Amino acid sequence: DAGVTQSPTHLIKTRGQQVTLRCSPKSGHDTVSWYQQALGQGPQFIFQYYEEEERQRGNFPDRFSGHQFPNYSSELNVNALLLGDSALYLCASSSRREGQPQHFGDGTRLSIL
Amino acid sequence: AQSVTQLGSHVSVSEGALVLLRCNYSSSVPPYLFWYVQYPNQGLQLLLKYTSAATLVKGINGFEAEFKKSETSFHLTKPSAHMSDAAEYFCAVSDSGTSGTYKYIFGTGTRLKVLA
Repeated sequence: DAGVTQSPTHLIKTRGQQVTLRCSPKSGHDTVSWYQQALGQGPQFIFQYYEEEERQRGNFPDRFSGHQFPNYSSELNVNALLLGDSALYLCASSSRREGQPQHFGDGTRLSIL
Repeated sequence: AQSVTQLGSHVSVSEGALVLLRCNYSSSVPPYLFWYVQYPNQGLQLLLKYTSAATLVKGINGFEAEFKKSETSFHLTKPSAHMSDAAEYFCAVSDSGTSGTYKYIFGTGTRLKVLA
């Protein structure tokens, strides 16, 4: 049973560019959350998708957007990249019920030059 | 709003010694609490979770945590450290939204170093 898979594993972009990160949730999960983890920090919540709609959003600008597809997979898009967007981006999937743990992928390491 | 505080960004223990990683939470309602471990260049792996069924929670790899409401704490322990326990550990609390979904609020993490 495959867990959460993310692609690509590494990405290098320059300032001002746009990037799309992808996530396939664990089998049986319908909710996908995205987190940003800067070096030496804990993960920070970006947003969460359920039934193809954004359900919650953290304190991130509109440059960060997402999408969830009917098969529950998800994309994170970041426009007008800034140096400060360099981080590990983690996708987590879960069922919607409270108390159910989120399962994390290995992340996409995004470097902005 | 929920919050989590992890005391000690770095903890060093000798191999075979007790591991104690501290986590305090702030919550207006009974929380759901989690401990995750992160190895270099990897995502987060669930160690254990507290969902109000029992105050002492046993997890994987010999770790356990005790929920103490009076102290608003959920400290992680392991009786005997192993070299393979060296990693970053994160405490998280589940925070509900208006749409019936739940996000995690993470602490800043504790890096555990195990000395031979």
